[in-house]
Amino acid sequence: GAGVSQSPSNKVTEKGKDVELRCDPISGHTALYWYRQSLGQGLEFLIYFQGNSAPDKSGLPSDRFSAERTGGSVSTLTIQRTQQEDSAVYLCATENGETQYFGPGTRLLVL
Amino acid sequence: AQSVTQPDIHITVSEGASLELRCNYSYGATPYLFWYVQSPGQGLQLLLKYFSGDTLVQGIKGFEAEFKRSQSSFNLRKPSVHWSDAAEYFCAVSSGTASKLTFGTGTRLQVTL
Repeated sequence: GAGVSQSPSNKVTEKGKDVELRCDPISGHTALYWYRQSLGQGLEFLIYFQGNSAPDKSGLPSDRFSAERTGGSVSTLTIQRTQQEDSAVYLCATENGETQYFGPGTRLLVL
Repeated sequence: AQSVTQPDIHITVSEGASLELRCNYSYGATPYLFWYVQSPGQGLQLLLKYFSGDTLVQGIKGFEAEFKRSQSSFNLRKPSVHWSDAAEYFCAVSSGTASKLTFGTGTRLQVTL
C-alpha cells in the first residue's frame, strides 16, 4: 500500500488478557518504530527495528511488552496480561532513511 | 538525553491571522528536528524537517520553521491560518537517521472564524 497500515484500528479488551497489534510498513522501509500516545505520558518511543533486529528496546515499559518483525516487513506488538494503564494509542512508523512516516494507530482500551 | 519543550499547551487564533508555535530542544550535537501535525483520530503527518543547511525550512500547507542554534529553538510559523489548520502540533528531535524521535507534549491549535 501507499502508507503504513495498522490493525486493528480499535481494540477493547479486559484486564489480564493478551493483545496483538499489527503494523504493515511502507514497502522497502527497513526501519520500523513503535510509539505509544497516552493522555498522561504524551508520545513515547517503545522499540525500534532495523530489518528483523531490534537494536533499541529501551522504551518498552515492562516485560509484558514484546515485539517482533518478520521478513523485514510486518511487525507485531504484543502486550501480555493487559492492565488499565496500557490504554493508549499505539503508533507504528517506518523510515526511508530520513523521515518517519506514521500509521493511523491502534486505539487500545483495557477495561 | 535529548528533550523537547513546547511551552504552549493550547493556542487560539483567528482565521487569517499569523501563527507561531514555539519549540525548544535540548541536544548536545546538531539535532534533526521535525514538526508533525495530528488531526483528531488521525496519525501524525510530517509538516517539515531540518537536518542541516539553510536554517529556514519550508514545509507543506504553507508552514515554515526556523532553526536557531543560539536559542535552541525551532519555531513553526504560518503567515495566514486557515480553519482546517486546527489540530495538534508536535515538535520532535532525533540524533539522526535510524534514531527514535523524542516528542514535545504538543500544542493544540484552535482556529476561530
